[in-house]
Amino acid sequence: RKEVEQDPGPFNVPEGATVAFNCTYSNSASQSFFWYRQDCRKEPKLLMSVYSSGNEDGRFTAQLNRASQYISLLIRDSKLSDSATYLCVVARYSGGGADGLTFGKGTHLIIQP
Amino acid sequence: DTGVSQDPRHKITKRGQNVTFRCDPISEHNRLYWYRQTLGQGPEFLTYFQNEAQLEKSRLLSDRFSAERPKGSFSTLEIQRTEQGDSAMYLCASSSPPGQGEYGYTFGSGTRLTVV
Repeated sequence: RKEVEQDPGPFNVPEGATVAFNCTYSNSASQSFFWYRQDCRKEPKLLMSVYSSGNEDGRFTAQLNRASQYISLLIRDSKLSDSATYLCVVARYSGGGADGLTFGKGTHLIIQP
Repeated sequence: DTGVSQDPRHKITKRGQNVTFRCDPISEHNRLYWYRQTLGQGPEFLTYFQNEAQLEKSRLLSDRFSAERPKGSFSTLEIQRTEQGDSAMYLCASSSPPGQGEYGYTFGSGTRLTVV
């Protein structure tokens, strides 16, 4: 089983729609979770961290279910500029603290006018 | 510019040649990471430095790959005897440890390597 699994898509969604991405992770000891956004031929950029209580940032909502080892991202009122690849990311930990990130393959989102 | 910078942005090399990439992290960050990303994949962890010490290397980092961070500031990643399978985007990231300053990972723009 891969450490972080995502549906690669592509998701073709009309502008203004709501879209949800899911991700599962295999290491139950994982402690920090993130969603990154990556535009074509660019570096990944942090979209938001994911907290157990769920968190929201404008049109974006992230949820974490530790029991099911499942992370989600919801985008409401999608914009053309939301078109990108969304990477589910789990922090890797050693005894000294975080020592890097494990990425899913990414989910490709295309917002259509 | 206070971000992570990588040089060069693009590199085309012939198979069998050696290449070296450089990463300058955010100056306050003592942790530095190298990742490799191929088309359709997420970034894959290669190696990690805390200050000048290389603390972990992925099995993806074959004997042809070597990374250094001699003074705990910038880092270099060298690939010897390049192969076509080395063609990828090489990403550098830096971070501060949790609880020390603003915690988070910042990526550079990457070096895109094409081996022909």
